[in-house]
Amino acid sequence: EADIYQTPRYLVIGTGKKITLECSQTMGHDKMYWYQQDPGMELHLIHYSYGVNSTEKGDLSSESTVSRIRTEHFPLTLESARPSHTSQYLCASSEGGLLSYNEQFFGPGTRLTVL
Amino acid sequence: AQSVSQHNHHVILSEAASLELGCNYSYGGTVNLFWYVQYPGQHLQLLLKYFSGDPLVKGIKGFEAEFIKSKFSFNLRKPSVQWSDTAEYFCAVNQGGKLIFGQGTELSVKP
Repeated sequence: EADIYQTPRYLVIGTGKKITLECSQTMGHDKMYWYQQDPGMELHLIHYSYGVNSTEKGDLSSESTVSRIRTEHFPLTLESARPSHTSQYLCASSEGGLLSYNEQFFGPGTRLTVL
Repeated sequence: AQSVSQHNHHVILSEAASLELGCNYSYGGTVNLFWYVQYPGQHLQLLLKYFSGDPLVKGIKGFEAEFIKSKFSFNLRKPSVQWSDTAEYFCAVNQGGKLIFGQGTELSVKP
């Protein structure tokens, strides 16, 4: 079944650790996105990709980095986690060209807590 | 830059009550508008969308939304809510191929 997956679903780590949040989709979508969401707040786009080897920073500044080596995989990495990184991270994907819009499909999210 | 405002942060209704959630975006021109819903423990999913044409858009589960260009609004409505409509609702607008979201409205429906 075509879907979008995120692992881990929950992560509690100490300050200074390096972490990678995984996101994979089986829908063959070219476009992928990472959003950050704090409780009661809007989703903020932090990274996006239009295809393999394409990555762009979103509207909200983030210390995280992303890579897109394969169409289906869009991992997000924090080199040194801090308590300010505590948040929920949502991955999404969609079809379409550079400026076109199609429905975005969202993963279940990763809730990250940095102590 | 485009922004989206959802005026109701938390709405509590009894079953069978009518629902209207407000959504306003900041500037005009051609816009693509969306409502997403997140049921407890589930993924964010598309409820309905407006690209062009009839400003009254029908979505899943009996929801509809009306695009009023002069008011920069895209309010979500449902004539009679059910307990299963308890969820968080997000309005969003497309800007250059990216989505700009509002802060969400939490809807609680009492049985």
